[in-house]
Amino acid sequence: DIQMTQSPSSLSASAGDRVLITCRASQSISTYLNWYQQTPGAAPKLLIYGASTLQNGVPSRFSGSGSGTDFTLIISSLQPEDFATYYCQQSYRSPYTFGQGTMLEIK
Amino acid sequence: EVHLVQSGAEVKKPGESLRISCKGSGYNFISYWISWVRQMPGKGLEWMGRVDPSDSSTNHSPSFQGHVTISVDESINTAYLQWSSLKASDTAMYYCARHYSSPEFDSWGQGTLLIVSS
Repeated sequence: DIQMTQSPSSLSASAGDRVLITCRASQSISTYLNWYQQTPGAAPKLLIYGASTLQNGVPSRFSGSGSGTDFTLIISSLQPEDFATYYCQQSYRSPYTFGQGTMLEIK
Repeated sequence: EVHLVQSGAEVKKPGESLRISCKGSGYNFISYWISWVRQMPGKGLEWMGRVDPSDSSTNHSPSFQGHVTISVDESINTAYLQWSSLKASDTAMYYCARHYSSPEFDSWGQGTLLIVSS
């Protein structure tokens, strides 16, 4: 299985901050990397697919980059509704493994 | 608009069987795979497997192979996740999700909470 490792596991930040979350794959996955946001009590929501393509309706303050094994999710200016848990997922090969999650908390 | 609606919460005893469902609407159901994802209490997301509604073929994660069965009834636009003998460790929230192109999971059900307790 392809292992996905996110860092950090948790992060405290303030509204307006720029935040970076990284995701590393245990082998090359090209750009088959997706990012999801999950707020408490809700289902995950797709933010970015193909490493850098913004899903319809997702604010432009979210962006993604990377290829191969190293990927980054950037939130350019945190809004109150962005405090959530973020997961990366590889869709290169089954089983489609997720990272362990990054919990973004209010400082 | 794409909707995936899952069956309601369940409370079961160890050893019991169960089937939960995920009904799709607002799109051509047979054109997109459906996956199931587990989230244990306070934990992350785990991909369990997927079904292709066009031919009922399945692919289970090795971590779940043999313990759950994924199936589909395309005539009623519904995918299923089934256990024949539940364990307390099956207590979790279960989500269905639609595969899109990459495949990324672009639409999710609301989740089905399963509690297994004696």
